[in-house]
Amino acid sequence: GAGVSQSPSNKVTEKGKDVELRCDPISGHTALYWYRQSLGQGLEFLIYFQGNSAPDKSGLPSDRFSAERTGGSVSTLTIQRTQQEDSAVYLCASSPTRGSHEQYFGPGTRLTVT
Amino acid sequence: DAKTTQPPSMDCAEGRAANLPCNHSTISGNEYVYWYRQIHSQGPQYIIHGLKNNETNEMASLIITEDRKSSTLILPHATLRDTAVYYCIVRVASISGGSNYKLTFGKGTLLTVNP
Repeated sequence: GAGVSQSPSNKVTEKGKDVELRCDPISGHTALYWYRQSLGQGLEFLIYFQGNSAPDKSGLPSDRFSAERTGGSVSTLTIQRTQQEDSAVYLCASSPTRGSHEQYFGPGTRLTVT
Repeated sequence: DAKTTQPPSMDCAEGRAANLPCNHSTISGNEYVYWYRQIHSQGPQYIIHGLKNNETNEMASLIITEDRKSSTLILPHATLRDTAVYYCIVRVASISGGSNYKLTFGKGTLLTVNP
């Protein structure tokens, strides 16, 4: 079946521009997570959605970062006024429920801020 | 979450079994062992998890020692496509509440499968 998809796969943007990253989770998965992974670093949790609500936004690095999820499906992560330190791979994962053992990851969006 | 220790790298011949060890001597009774892997330039991939008993699925087998202080992930017939960084994670299941859904990876083991 279809896995988690993300778009774009690569994004190069100039410092100060806004970017939107999209995640399509596996159909029927109610839990959705955003992480980022900097070069050679581990996973950094950003935000968790249950349905359309985000009970945990604790990992968002600053108020330039926001995310929404509509229809209990697609999610968009928006970064405003991008900075060079935002350069990373942004990963989306979904799981059937909040309590599921496994998280299924998308391929990621590689963001480069020049 | 309990700390895990994995060798930084391992080699395996194609077609042979790959046995990846993980030490987790401070594991608590309610903590599970999870394995994920990350192939270069791809997102992480869930492999398997277990609590006490050995587990097997279509990807791998997980052997947990009786005292639960260590485990081994077994890829029975490694292929070139299994070359990846393998992460062993010990954590309370997210159904237990709190923010246990947050995944964190250590440095993992780079498994290189050679032809």
